[in-house]
Amino acid sequence: TQLLEQSPQFLSIQEGENLTVYCNSSSVFSSLQWYRQEPGEGPVLLVTVVTGGEVKKLKRLTFQFGDARKDSSLHITAAQPGDTGLYLCAGGGSQGNLIFGKGTKLSVKP
Amino acid sequence: NAGVTQTPKFQVLKTGQSMTLQCAQDMNHEYMSWYRQDPGMGLRLIHYSVGAGITDQGEVPNGYNVSRSTTEDFPLRLLSAAPSQTSVYFCASSYSSGAPIAGNTIYFGEGSWLTVV
Repeated sequence: TQLLEQSPQFLSIQEGENLTVYCNSSSVFSSLQWYRQEPGEGPVLLVTVVTGGEVKKLKRLTFQFGDARKDSSLHITAAQPGDTGLYLCAGGGSQGNLIFGKGTKLSVKP
Repeated sequence: NAGVTQTPKFQVLKTGQSMTLQCAQDMNHEYMSWYRQDPGMGLRLIHYSVGAGITDQGEVPNGYNVSRSTTEDFPLRLLSAAPSQTSVYFCASSYSSGAPIAGNTIYFGEGSWLTVV
């Protein structure tokens, strides 16, 4: 069974701080995606990483895919209240679907 | 752009009642799926469809039926609602598969909050 473990589960920080959230698995994934979900809405795709060791940047967000393609991280620089939300990582399942981690709930206080 | 539209947004059911959650997409996507999201459990796949007339079970299909008579619509039916089906339901669609491959953006609806009492 492919599982994705996310940590931390909850994170509460002040505006301007940096943070990193992690997504780990014992299985190899051909690619991983990161989503952000705001209250009352569905997940929205942030990025897809497909190559081991790949680093992608999206403004203040930096995504990294582990060399062995078993883990990924999301680093946010100078967090803002607008970054508040649930961050989900997802990998490909055996049914051609997404397997989601349980998410990291981020709260950025002004 | 409508994207993926789910109705209703909120619903309260009594145990044993049946209902249908509607999902429609206007992007001509072949792949559609239903997930449920529960606290501490993440999103789990209920059913999916790779095209009109083709459906298959996901991780947690019991108690749910689906059909795909058109490319646009993918309704989820609860046959006899149980309190364990209290959850938030998300419909998703994408051009090809539901896999997280580069260039395959998966779009989610805004969710349907279902409470079974």
